[in-house]
Amino acid sequence: VLTQSPATLSLSPGERATLSCRASQSVGTYVAWYQQKAGLAPRLLIYDSSSRATGTPDRFSGSGSGTDFTLTISSLQPEDFAVYYCQQRNIFGPGTKVDI
Amino acid sequence: DVQLVESGGGLVKPGRSLRLSCVASGFSFSDYSMNWVRQAPGKGLEWVSTISRTGNYIDYADSVKGRFTMSRDNAEKSLYLQMDSLRAEDTAVYYCARAGGLFDYWGQGTLVTVSS
Repeated sequence: VLTQSPATLSLSPGERATLSCRASQSVGTYVAWYQQKAGLAPRLLIYDSSSRATGTPDRFSGSGSGTDFTLTISSLQPEDFAVYYCQQRNIFGPGTKVDI
Repeated sequence: DVQLVESGGGLVKPGRSLRLSCVASGFSFSDYSMNWVRQAPGKGLEWVSTISRTGNYIDYADSVKGRFTMSRDNAEKSLYLQMDSLRAEDTAVYYCARAGGLFDYWGQGTLVTVSS
């Protein structure tokens, strides 16, 4: 089981966003993060906890191992307001909505 | 560019069947396992099924096991999901997604609505 917190994060452009994902048991570093904008398919952002996928801006960074993982957006851009999901194997977390 | 294009969604009555398709392009289809992932309206992502590169291994979520059948045709670069005995709770956007341990490319999705 993956849990994400907070469920909603209300921030302003330029602010730093910190999203948390917790696994019920150790998963090493095999966690990925996805961004989903309204009406669109999810997009892979981060894999293996901290590796950026092709095209992911460097303001996105991932960290963590074992059971606790973090996605950080260093300075929110208008296009970053979306829902973010963590994933491990066939399990997705419930998501964190980042809104204005 | 990698492209995945789903089709076959629509409105169907409970208990009926529907077959989804996903056509791939821009990569060597036979080199990748593939997945179906769904998203109910306003809800999160739910993995549905995975098929290996050759199709000799297939896994399903418990929620669809025994009702859904995933298959692939590597010559046609196509993925399929046969959905039988559909229920209202199967209503969702269904995405095909390329996998190699993670879902690195996704199609645009096709909406399946199960309602009388």
